[in-house]
Amino acid sequence: EIVMTQSPATLSVSPGERGTLSCRASQSVSKNLAWYQQKPGQAPRLLIYGVSTRATGIPARFSGSGSETEFTLTISSLQSEDFALYYCQHYNEWPYTFGQGTKLDLK
Amino acid sequence: QVQLVESGGGLVRPGGSLRLSCAASGFTFSDYYMAWVRQSPGKGLEWVSYVSGGSGYIYYADSVKGRFTISRDNAKKLLFLQMNSLRVEDTAVYYCARVDLHSYGLDYWGQGTLVTVSS
Repeated sequence: EIVMTQSPATLSVSPGERGTLSCRASQSVSKNLAWYQQKPGQAPRLLIYGVSTRATGIPARFSGSGSETEFTLTISSLQSEDFALYYCQHYNEWPYTFGQGTKLDLK
Repeated sequence: QVQLVESGGGLVRPGGSLRLSCAASGFTFSDYYMAWVRQSPGKGLEWVSYVSGGSGYIYYADSVKGRFTISRDNAKKLLFLQMNSLRVEDTAVYYCARVDLHSYGLDYWGQGTLVTVSS
């Protein structure tokens, strides 16, 4: 099973600043990686798939990059609604696994 | 618009059974792979199982293999998860989710149904 490790566990950022979240895979997942956002009491929402393709309706301030084992989600200018939990997930081979999450906190 | 509505969660004793249902609307159900994902405080998000549109491909996480069965009724636009021999560690919110056509991202999720396994 591929283990996904996210860092940091908590990221404190001020509105308007850039937020950079990291995700590392224990072995290569090629470009088979997705990112999700989850707010309290809600289901996760797909933000990015294929490392860098934004899902329908996702604002351009969200961008993804990386390949193989190292991936990054960048939020270019944080809005109040962006403070939430973020998860990465690979789908390179079954079982598809999630990272443990990064909490994006208001500084 | 796409909607997924789960039902069937509840409190069950260890060793018991539950059947979760997910009613889909707003898209051509049979065209999509569908998945069950669970979330518990101790284990985070775990992709439990998924099924192809025609039910020809089915996968299970090792943690539930042999105990859970995924199925679907395309005519009624329903997804099911039959859960047998439930354990305390199966306690979680269970989400029904649609698998994106272009990837194996999960592009729509239900609101979740809570399963609590406790004596």
